[in-house]
Amino acid sequence: ETGVTQSPTHLIKTRGQQVTLRCSSQSGHNTVSWYQQALGQGPQFIFQYYREEENGRGNFPPRFSGLQFPNYSSELNVNALELDDSALYLCASSPGGSHYTFGSGTRLTVV
Amino acid sequence: DQQVKQNSPSLSVQEGRISILNCDYTNSMFDYFLWYKKYPAEGPTFLISISSIKDKNEDGRFTVFLNKSAKHLSLHIVPSQPGDSAVYFCAARVFKAAGNKLTFGGGTRVLVKP
Repeated sequence: ETGVTQSPTHLIKTRGQQVTLRCSSQSGHNTVSWYQQALGQGPQFIFQYYREEENGRGNFPPRFSGLQFPNYSSELNVNALELDDSALYLCASSPGGSHYTFGSGTRLTVV
Repeated sequence: DQQVKQNSPSLSVQEGRISILNCDYTNSMFDYFLWYKKYPAEGPTFLISISSIKDKNEDGRFTVFLNKSAKHLSLHIVPSQPGDSAVYFCAARVFKAAGNKLTFGGGTRVLVKP
């Protein structure tokens, strides 16, 4: 097992900019989910991909989008960044079962 | 609409004693519950889970209890160790054929004092 790796670990962006966060899942994990964790709160579900198709979405606007690739990597893209987008973004992968392995996250700061 | 709640933001316990973390939920469709532990600068790490058809699951020092009628679950850690100091999240899932999103509580920060 190689675990779930996220990059970058920290990022500072200006309001209005666009950002791409990356995640490399464990081999064989065909399900990947993205979560946003604001300071002092629990993670909030953004969306999930299964075999490169989005198959579940939380209460986030369309400027949050994603991609999943055949090599078990995925991306989270956020357009038109707002100050409230400042948070820890977590990627979690699963082989389709009940247990999710989380990465260490990307800390995004929007100024 | 907070479907999963952890009403105690923090808990302090002496080493060797029992830690009891509580979690309440409102969605009766939740069929699977999980506890995660999170250290600073790390992602959540899976601890223990329980299916809605069970009322107890045990793994070493960790035991999770589920009371479906009360829509309440708890995590018992005994004996507590200083390395258990972390933030603990309760999470719940509604099984769907096309996705199993987790709904998390706000977390409980546990401090185990030596």
